Amino acid sequence: GAVVSQHPSWVICKSGTSVKIECRSLDFQATTMFWYRQFPKQSLMLMATSNEGSKATYEQGVEKDKFLINHASLTLSTLTVTSAHPEDSSFYICSAPHGMNYGYTFGSGTRLTVV
Amino acid sequence: AQSVAQPEDQVNVAEGNPLTVKCTYSVSGNPYLFWYVQYPNRGLQFLLKYITGDNLVKGSYGFEAEFNKSQTSFHLKKPSALVSDSALYFCAVSVAGNTPLVFGKGTRLSVIA
Repeated sequence: GAVVSQHPSWVICKSGTSVKIECRSLDFQATTMFWYRQFPKQSLMLMATSNEGSKATYEQGVEKDKFLINHASLTLSTLTVTSAHPEDSSFYICSAPHGMNYGYTFGSGTRLTVV
Repeated sequence: AQSVAQPEDQVNVAEGNPLTVKCTYSVSGNPYLFWYVQYPNRGLQFLLKYITGDNLVKGSYGFEAEFNKSQTSFHLKKPSALVSDSALYFCAVSVAGNTPLVFGKGTRLSVIA
């Protein structure tokens, strides 16, 4: 139980285009979704927290106009990287807390490469 | 604010030997502590967690960790390492069930046959 499906697994896009990453909770209601970014051989850095039906909360230094987060339903949260640049290339992972013994479920991650 | 320290970037161990991956934490209040493993270009796989109760926590794939409040540590251990255990290991902490996890920088474990 408590599965989060993240798509796409990898994507290559041209500079200036936008890319949308989806995270769906398959068997539970994810009222909250955390979005992380991971640079090669580095840790996961929290980008933002999204809550269903309200605006996302962004961490300091994260451009909210570049990384648009939408949490339109209890089962879907999306991250859109707008006007992507090569420095946005990274591994993006979503995570949702679930009520089963204070657990957290992670998506499988999205490898974004901007060329 | 909470933080996690993983003092070792890399841990090398021979197959069959015991392994330890170190983690210390800093929080205000009671910590919720987690260990995850990550394989290349993959998401995180849950190994074990400490929320409350027994200080020794047993998890997946034969891993265990001991919560030590006085030393603010939560080291990951396994009695006998396998080559397939080679991966990137993350320690993480939160202070409540609906707050984001804060991760350590990760420790790369290499088990040599």
